[in-house]
Amino acid sequence: AQSVSQHNHHVILSEAASLELGCNYSYGGTVNLFWYVQYPGQHLQLLLKYFSGDPLVKGIKGFEAEFIKSKFSFNLRKPSVQWSDTAEYFCAVNASGGYQKVTFGIGTKLQVIP
Amino acid sequence: DGGITQSPKYLFRKEGQNVTLSCEQNLNHDAMYWYRQDPGQGLRLIYYSQIVNDFQKGDIAEGYSVSREKKESFPLTVTSAQKNPTAFYLCASNGAGGWDEQFFGPGTRLTVL
Repeated sequence: AQSVSQHNHHVILSEAASLELGCNYSYGGTVNLFWYVQYPGQHLQLLLKYFSGDPLVKGIKGFEAEFIKSKFSFNLRKPSVQWSDTAEYFCAVNASGGYQKVTFGIGTKLQVIP
Repeated sequence: DGGITQSPKYLFRKEGQNVTLSCEQNLNHDAMYWYRQDPGQGLRLIYYSQIVNDFQKGDIAEGYSVSREKKESFPLTVTSAQKNPTAFYLCASNGAGGWDEQFFGPGTRLTVL
């Protein structure tokens, strides 16, 4: 069975600081990887996704993530955070090919201080 | 405007009562999902449906039931058998194959008194 670990449960940063949120998964086969974001009072929405190809994926609002297959990791990064990035971030994984249920991590709450 | 609607936003029920949460989508998606979101536990899958008139249990299906009579609708019933029903419930959908990104509704916060 697949699983996802998010190591940082609550992160507090000042504006302009760099961000890296860790995500590791366990699954032996080929995977699809996602980062979702839930801004306060808003729907959960997709930030970026990786299916295949270039392991460095760019998403909305200046976020990017790098898939490192050998480390089973898909860490989320942003070089300079803004107060508006305050949100909860979820990493998710499913096995690619056919239907497979998505497994979500427990989420990381990011608080950006102005 | 395409999307997923969930109603109501807040729901209060007395212990021992069944309650049904609504989820409707106009995205023409085949697959629909129900998750439960609890602090510190992320999203846990309750039930999912890949096609009309078919659905499967997720990781925490006990105490819940669903139906999928129409493509656009996937209501969730929280029964009195669910031991800890107070939670935030999210409905989602995605296209054929079920492997692509999911689109989420705004959620329903259920409080059982």
